[in-house]
Amino acid sequence: DAGVTQSPTHLIKTRGQQVTLRCSPKSGHDTVSWYQQALGQGPQFIFQYYEEEERQRGNFPDRFSGHQFPNYSSELNVNALLLGDSALYLCASSFGTSGQKQFFGPGTRLTVL
Amino acid sequence: QKEVEQNSGPLSVPEGAIASLNCTYSDRGSQSFFWYRQYSGKSPELIMFIYSNGDKEDGRFTAQLNKASQYVSLLIRDSQPSDSATYLCAVGLTGGGNKLTFGTGTQLKVEL
Repeated sequence: DAGVTQSPTHLIKTRGQQVTLRCSPKSGHDTVSWYQQALGQGPQFIFQYYEEEERQRGNFPDRFSGHQFPNYSSELNVNALLLGDSALYLCASSFGTSGQKQFFGPGTRLTVL
Repeated sequence: QKEVEQNSGPLSVPEGAIASLNCTYSDRGSQSFFWYRQYSGKSPELIMFIYSNGDKEDGRFTAQLNKASQYVSLLIRDSQPSDSATYLCAVGLTGGGNKLTFGTGTQLKVEL
């Protein structure tokens, strides 16, 4: 049973660039949420996708956007990168959308120079 | 006031002892409560979840929820050096979908 997978593992970008991160949910899961975790902090909710639509959004600017595909996989796009976007980006998958258990992937470490 | 508060630690306990980790939350509309373990450089791993007042036990772990006092705790019995990690408390709101609000985590050190 494959768990949540994310790619790439690490990424280095420069300010102003754009980045796309990818996530495949755990087998049997249909909902993907994205979180940003800065060093020494807890994860911060970015948004949640279900049935290919953004269902909920946290307090992040619209430079952060996403997509969910028919196979439930998801992408997180960040435009006009800032130094402060450097963080661990985590994808979490679940079955259903209401207070369900969420399982995290290994994360993508993004460094913005 | 932070939405989810945890003592950052480090909390040091000897091997074999009980580790007690605490978390308080501010929103009375919270309905789901989770404990994640995060090793340095790794992603969070779900270890316990609880939805109702009272205790829930799973192996060496016990989660305790008191909605009236707005706190949730995690007890780890027979602590092992491999339990040394940061423990994140996460809370979900009623009607909040799957959005979780996390505390900043408590670092646990289990000493030989």
